[in-house]
This record gives sequence, C-alpha cells and structure tokens, in this order.
Amino acid sequence: DTGVSQNPRHKITKRGQNVTFRCDPISEHNRLYWYRQTLGQGPEFLTYFQNEAQLEKSRLLSDRFSAERPKGSFSTLEIQRTEQGDSAMYLCASSIRRNRVTNTEAFFGQGTRLTVV
Amino acid sequence: AQTVTQSQPEMSVQEAETVTLSCTYDTSESDYYLFWYKQPPSRQMILVIRQEAYKQQNATENRFSVNFQKAAKSFSLKISDSQLGDAAMYFCAYRSARNTGNQFYFGTGTSLTVIP
Repeated sequence: DTGVSQNPRHKITKRGQNVTFRCDPISEHNRLYWYRQTLGQGPEFLTYFQNEAQLEKSRLLSDRFSAERPKGSFSTLEIQRTEQGDSAMYLCASSIRRNRVTNTEAFFGQGTRLTVV
Repeated sequence: AQTVTQSQPEMSVQEAETVTLSCTYDTSESDYYLFWYKQPPSRQMILVIRQEAYKQQNATENRFSVNFQKAAKSFSLKISDSQLGDAAMYFCAYRSARNTGNQFYFGTGTSLTVIP
C-alpha cells in the first residue's frame, strides 16, 4: 500500500450533471476525511468518517453533496446537479485511531480536480 | 471555530539560505497539534513537521524546525539550507487533541520560491 489513492485525477462535467469521486485510504487507517481546495486557498473541511460512520459534516456540505464509506474502507463523494462553484480540487486524507491513541497527522491523496463547465 | 492565519502569500529565498514562514492561530483549547504541510505542484500534501502543544521543545526534522510560541499562538517554520525541491505551497494546520475534534484547520498557504 503506497498511500491514499483518489480517482479520477481529473473530471470535467457539464453543469447540472452528477459526479462521483472515489478515495481508497491507507489500508489500516480507520479515519477518512474529505476536503475541498480552491485556487489560492487552503483545504476546507467537508466531512470525515471513522470506520463506516460519518461523524462530522461541515456546513459547506450542501444537500447536493453526499459521502459514503459503506464498509469502512474506500469512500465515495457524490455531487448532484453540479454548479460552476463546485469547481475545485477535492482532497481525501486518512489517519488512524486505535485504542484511544491517534496518529495525529493525516495522509493526503493527490486529489480529484473537478471542472464544471 | 479555530482559525489559522498565514500572512505571507508569497516568499522567496536564495538556494542554501534560510527562510521563515509565519503562522498564527486562534483557539481556546490548551491541548492541540500544529502541523506544516508542503504541497508541491503535483498537489499531494506532504507532512513536513508537527508539534504537540504540550511539548515546550520545538520540533525539528532535519533542515526544518519550528518556533512554537504557545502564549502568542504563533507557529513559524524555518527552512535552513533551502533547496530547489523546497519550492511549494506551505500550509500551516491546527488539529484539536480532543477525541471528538478531528478536522484539520488550514491556513491559506504561503507560496515559497527558491531562487537558484
């Protein structure tokens, strides 16, 4: 396992279409995060999972956004009825928490760049 | 919510010289972690260095070191003997040590240029 993997790397879609991104975390990591990054800005938190449970969601995550992690392994982020303002880099990260000990840093994937035209 | 501020959108340094990137943060918590992440043009964020707030000693990782001033809520990154490969966006990040506080708060980044 070489790290966090995200697919696709790039996605161009027409406004109004639905898109889905996938993230495969580092295999033993039970925490998974989604972030959004626009040009010139730092990553903004969207949501995170511990195993299959979605424990926290940002107010940035509108009703058009949904994330799942069905078996506590890979995760998907779906955006419905895309808007031009959704154009951004979507970053996935993972970390581990075991027996009340947290590996404090998160490991990031290379991201999926979404362009809505 | 916690906020992280990086007041230097761009910095440049001559190769082999030293540069310091600034970061301040705002929190009411006493136990937390601070990080510097590097994001090269390939876009994958890589951890550079981390600091636990309960530790008084400043973290160091080879050419990278931090100046952690807890009372001032300041966390600067010093890069010594700068190399061309250090050119990247650098993000300062904060994470609570609470069990339920798991998101990372990022600053807006500093773009570092290394001049040959």
